[in-house]
Amino acid sequence: EAGVVQSPRYKIIEKKQPVAFWCNPISGHNTLYWYRQNLGQGPELLIRYENEEAVDDSQLPKDRFSAERLKGVDSTLKIQPAELGDSAVYLCASSTRTAEETQYFGPGTRLLVL
Amino acid sequence: GQSLEQPSEVTAVEGAIVQINCTYQTSGFYGLSWYQQHDGGAPTFLSYNALDGLEETGRFSSFLSRSDSYGYLLLQELQMKDSASYFCAPERNYGQNFVFGPGTRLSVLP
Repeated sequence: EAGVVQSPRYKIIEKKQPVAFWCNPISGHNTLYWYRQNLGQGPELLIRYENEEAVDDSQLPKDRFSAERLKGVDSTLKIQPAELGDSAVYLCASSTRTAEETQYFGPGTRLLVL
Repeated sequence: GQSLEQPSEVTAVEGAIVQINCTYQTSGFYGLSWYQQHDGGAPTFLSYNALDGLEETGRFSSFLSRSDSYGYLLLQELQMKDSASYFCAPERNYGQNFVFGPGTRLSVLP
């Protein structure tokens, strides 16, 4: 069974530029999460989807961040414009609705904003 | 409100037993998960407790006391490959969000 796939793995951009991250969850997983992880800290939830519906986006900085999960499968997280403080690892995770305590994480996208 | 405490670092030797504690204040608490993350890697699920008591999975065990808002992860027969960060993650309401703690960095020495 394929795991959670994310791309790109690394991204370096200049501040004020846009950037997008893509995630393909495990097949059949209804719930998809986007997390941000700063160095030395735990993952911080940005947004959670149940199928195509964003059920919790309270921690998403909506002035510059946006996300979508069309058709309830793949998801894209976008930052526009990026700021220096956005440098972090962006993790995508998925789970089934009946076992949401077990989240499967992708390898993450390491973003560096210069 | 929410608060979460874990020791920032723990050091032990191969073959030893180590306990990583987690205290939480989580509104609507439902259960507690534990994740392991190696440097540069993704978090991987270790265990989940919804009920009080001890859950054992191989060398790893996890304990929960709901009345004390406390849990721990017990790692036995430590191996070098256990060197990683360990996160407790309380579940806030059934099927809702997990809040990850700051993590405990475990170093296993030869």
